[in-house]
Amino acid sequence: DIQMTQSPSSVSASVGDRVTITCRASQGISSWLAWYQQKPGKAPKLLIYAASSLQSGVPSRFSGSGSGTDFTLTISSLQPEDFATYYCQQANSFPPRFGQGTKVEIK
Amino acid sequence: EVQLVESGGGLVKPGGSLRLSCAASGFTFSSYSMNWVRQAPGKGLEWVSSISSSSSYIYYADSVKGRFTISRDNAKNSLYLQMNSLRAEDTAVYYCARDSDIVLMAYDYWGQGTLVTVSS
Repeated sequence: DIQMTQSPSSVSASVGDRVTITCRASQGISSWLAWYQQKPGKAPKLLIYAASSLQSGVPSRFSGSGSGTDFTLTISSLQPEDFATYYCQQANSFPPRFGQGTKVEIK
Repeated sequence: EVQLVESGGGLVKPGGSLRLSCAASGFTFSSYSMNWVRQAPGKGLEWVSSISSSSSYIYYADSVKGRFTISRDNAKNSLYLQMNSLRAEDTAVYYCARDSDIVLMAYDYWGQGTLVTVSS
């Protein structure tokens, strides 16, 4: 099974900051990686698929990069509605594991 | 508009059973693989099970294999999860989710979730 490790587990940031979250796969997954945003009490929302493709309707301040084992999610200018928990997920093979999550908090 | 609505959650004793349902609308249900993902209170997301569009391929997490059964009824636009031999560690919000149009195993639509509590 492929393990997914995110870092950091939490980050404190201010509105307007650039935020970067890292996700590492235990073995190569090409570009088969997705990123999700989850707000408290709500279902996750797909942000990025295939490592760098923006899901329809997602603001362009979100971007993804990487391939193989190392991936990043970047929020270029943090907005108030972006405070949430972010998860990566490998979409290469079963089981499609999620990372443990990164909570983006208000500084 | 794509909608996924879960139901069937509740309080059940350890060793008991529960059947979750997910009613789909707004898309051609029979064309998509579907999935169950759960989230224990205060914890992260855990994939539970997946089923292909025609039920030909079914996958389970090791943590539920042999206890849970995923199924679907394309005529009724519905997804199911039969959960037997429930344990305290199965307590979670259970989400149904649709595979995206573009990338398998990326989930583009999710239901609101249904809470399953396993406790005596």
